[in-house]
Amino acid sequence: EPEVTQTPSHQVTQMGQEVILRCVPISNHLYFYWYRQILGQKVEFLVSFYNNEISEKSEIFDDQFSVERPDGSNFTLKIRSTKLEDSAMYFCASSLAGGPGSYEQYFGPGTRLTVT
Amino acid sequence: GNSVTQMEGPVTLSEEAFLTINCTYTATGYPSLFWYVQYPGEGLQLLLKATKADDKGSNKGFEATYRKETTSFHLEKGSVQVSDSAVYFCALSGYRDDKIIFGKGTRLHILP
Repeated sequence: EPEVTQTPSHQVTQMGQEVILRCVPISNHLYFYWYRQILGQKVEFLVSFYNNEISEKSEIFDDQFSVERPDGSNFTLKIRSTKLEDSAMYFCASSLAGGPGSYEQYFGPGTRLTVT
Repeated sequence: GNSVTQMEGPVTLSEEAFLTINCTYTATGYPSLFWYVQYPGEGLQLLLKATKADDKGSNKGFEATYRKETTSFHLEKGSVQVSDSAVYFCALSGYRDDKIIFGKGTRLHILP
């Protein structure tokens, strides 16, 4: 069964460093998402991406964050200058189309980011 | 704004016990409602969903009914198994909305 994959599974970085989290969505999917979960808190939406542009972003997704689909398979989340509060589990998801009520979002296993 | 509140965990039950995990929501219009499950080391998986009032979602013995009058979507299972041990997330998406809004998650432990 097709699945969303994410690398690395765990990333440790120092405050102020740039990190890139990578995701390979399901191959025929057209909508891509990033969510994050700070330990003990809710899973929060960060951004959705369709047709090579951001379709929606949350207030968390400020200028320090960017997303890119550099080729036909990868979908990346970049944090330019990490802060301690960016430590969280980051989940990538993809769906065939928009509207989760109609088209399931499939989630990857997550990347745990630790900022020291 | 839209939000989801679910019961705090962890919940510990013996095998074959009856399970209820409470979930209530706040939303404008007619959201779609979901239960996701996360097994250890894995991503979030859609367990079941309901897209309109009085719909019942069901899968793997789990059920939840979309109750608009009480703004609830409680998860139930008649007889849990050890393999049901996981974290369960109640969630919603608004009408014409692509993002999913999650609750905090409820960790479930089933003892043999």
